[in-house]
Amino acid sequence: AQSVSQHNHHVILSEAASLELGCNYSYGGTVNLFWYVQYPGQHLQLLLKYFSGDPLVKGIKGFEAEFIKSKFSFNLRKPSVQWSDTAEYFCAVNDGQGGKLIFGQGTELSVKP
Amino acid sequence: ETGVTQTPRHLVMGMTNKKSLKCEQHLGHNAMYWYKQSAKKPLELMFVYNFKEQTENNSVPSRFSPECPNSSHLFLHLHTLQPEDSALYLCASSQGSGRIDEQFFGPGTRLTVL
Repeated sequence: AQSVSQHNHHVILSEAASLELGCNYSYGGTVNLFWYVQYPGQHLQLLLKYFSGDPLVKGIKGFEAEFIKSKFSFNLRKPSVQWSDTAEYFCAVNDGQGGKLIFGQGTELSVKP
Repeated sequence: ETGVTQTPRHLVMGMTNKKSLKCEQHLGHNAMYWYKQSAKKPLELMFVYNFKEQTENNSVPSRFSPECPNSSHLFLHLHTLQPEDSALYLCASSQGSGRIDEQFFGPGTRLTVL
């Protein structure tokens, strides 16, 4: 069965620090990859997605992610975090054959002002 | 209203109660989903409906009963729940579950089973 693993459960950073959140998946075929974010008290919303093409994907609010097929990874990055980035971040994978998303367990990011 | 709405936002129920969660999407989508979000666990897909037909039941206990009367509305009927069913229940929609599309999520219903 497919699975998604997010290595960090809780990350604490100071403002202006760089961020990298790890995501690895287990499926060996064609995949579509997503990062969702859930700000405190708000809906899950899409941060960025990869379907095909350039493996470096840019999303909203200065986030980007790089798909490395050989490593089955889709890590999320941001060069300089802000206090407003405090949220929970979820990596998700779709096997390319339908709408079913498999989510990781989430990473809680706390940014100290 | 825009996006995906869910009611109620909070629900407390006893194990012998019967209640229903409602989800409505205003995006013209054809696929709708129920997820369960428990603390420190990945989101668990429960059910998928595509053009009102159930296309996925992820081994969900029968005490959870979904209903999709049309492409815009999705219900989750609850009866004789257990305390371990306490969680955030999220509804989502997308263009169609046969396509690879972004899913749009509602705010969730926080369910507590006493």
